[in-house]
Amino acid sequence: DADVTQTPRNRITKTGKRIMLECSQTKGHDRMYWYRQDPGLGLRLIYYSFDVKDINKGEISDGYSVSRQAQAKFSLSLESAIPNQTALYFCATSDPSPGEDTQYFGPGTRLTVL
Amino acid sequence: GQQLNQSPQSMFIQEGEDVSMNCTSSSIFNTWLWYKQDPGEGPVLLIALYKAGELTSNGRLTAQFGITRKDSFLNISASIPSDVGIYFCAGSTGANSKLTFGKGITLSVRP
Repeated sequence: DADVTQTPRNRITKTGKRIMLECSQTKGHDRMYWYRQDPGLGLRLIYYSFDVKDINKGEISDGYSVSRQAQAKFSLSLESAIPNQTALYFCATSDPSPGEDTQYFGPGTRLTVL
Repeated sequence: GQQLNQSPQSMFIQEGEDVSMNCTSSSIFNTWLWYKQDPGEGPVLLIALYKAGELTSNGRLTAQFGITRKDSFLNISASIPSDVGIYFCAGSTGANSKLTFGKGITLSVRP
């Protein structure tokens, strides 16, 4: 079984709809991240969480919100989706041990906003 | 802010050739990571580098952490068709585990 899972894998929605993307992990990591990927722009950080009570904005948080329901679960919401939020979304996790900066990624969710 | 530069955006090589990719920055990083992303999948870690000057291999892949801590390279030897994908470099200052990613290089391998 995959260590980091994301649901759904694909979603098509309409402008103005509320969308939630979910991420679960079995790696036992405290730290979780949400990124979006656009062609030619690489990975950009939306939000990150270092533990259940910690939520931090990344470089492109406008239009998004997150919820850390448990150590293993981190959800990303688009309150009112717009077409320029069409992208690939990735969840990642990491271990807080010193020197352990490696992040492990889920398979991604392809979101299309019409 | 910190940026990692990867160029060119795309590379085309013949099967069996070696290829080298650079990642440079104007800032110092304490950790360098190389990821590969297959179509339709998330990035997968290839090699992690933690010390300046470190040279690490993983099969046909070799990566080095630059002495200045401002660059890294990844070399793929004897390329095969399954090497196709997007290769990202990423760096961390270690301060808060956040990674800075390059924009990636799309590698194509001609049989």
